[in-house]
Amino acid sequence: DTEVTQTPKHLVMGMTNKKSLKCEQHMGHRAMYWYKQKAKKPPELMFVYSYEKLSINESVPSRFSPECPNSSLLNLHLHALQPEDSALYLCASSQDRTGTRYRNQETQYFGPGTRLLVL
Amino acid sequence: QKEVEQDPGPLSVPEGAIVSLNCTYSNSAFQYFMWYRQYSRKGPELLMYTYSSGNKEDGRFTAQVDKSSKYISLFIRDSQPSDSATYLCAMSLSNFGNEKLTFGTGTRLTIIP
Repeated sequence: DTEVTQTPKHLVMGMTNKKSLKCEQHMGHRAMYWYKQKAKKPPELMFVYSYEKLSINESVPSRFSPECPNSSLLNLHLHALQPEDSALYLCASSQDRTGTRYRNQETQYFGPGTRLLVL
Repeated sequence: QKEVEQDPGPLSVPEGAIVSLNCTYSNSAFQYFMWYRQYSRKGPELLMYTYSSGNKEDGRFTAQVDKSSKYISLFIRDSQPSDSATYLCAMSLSNFGNEKLTFGTGTRLTIIP
């Protein structure tokens, strides 16, 4: 099973609202990712968590706040967003072999995304 | 120059045709290469994952990597209307996990019944 789930599927919010996106996987993956994808563009990496610690932040504005409460869950807290933040937000997960000798082809499995509209 | 170049299409072919999708890249340090398929309003779905130069086949799909030319391809045989989607190539420097994927811009493919 290579399933990553995301909720909600769709979200409409005003610029003063606070909302959260949720992502869950039960594949035992220890790396989790947030991507943003605008129409007809490839996904853009926002954050990477490795073993529940933030390892990559691609200079994302502070109105996006990630959280990894445990190894299966990843949240993205949204506050004071702008209309240009409207996009498909994708979560992904992968095995994390950092620091091990284990060699295998580890790649990222994506969830279906949350389509966000900021008014 | 973008790190990964991919012909955005759109590409339309009749059902049953062989489809060739291609990406070129500039960073010779890329070691791992992926093809994702993304249906409209859905998340990307992993199709193929390759490491070394050469071919890898999975059903109707064949991924080809030529590291010397910095060129990767995805071939789809006996194309079906259900193959209509956007195809994204992606590549990474390592395979440990937690690394950044660099994507191509995607090719939108339509298979005409």
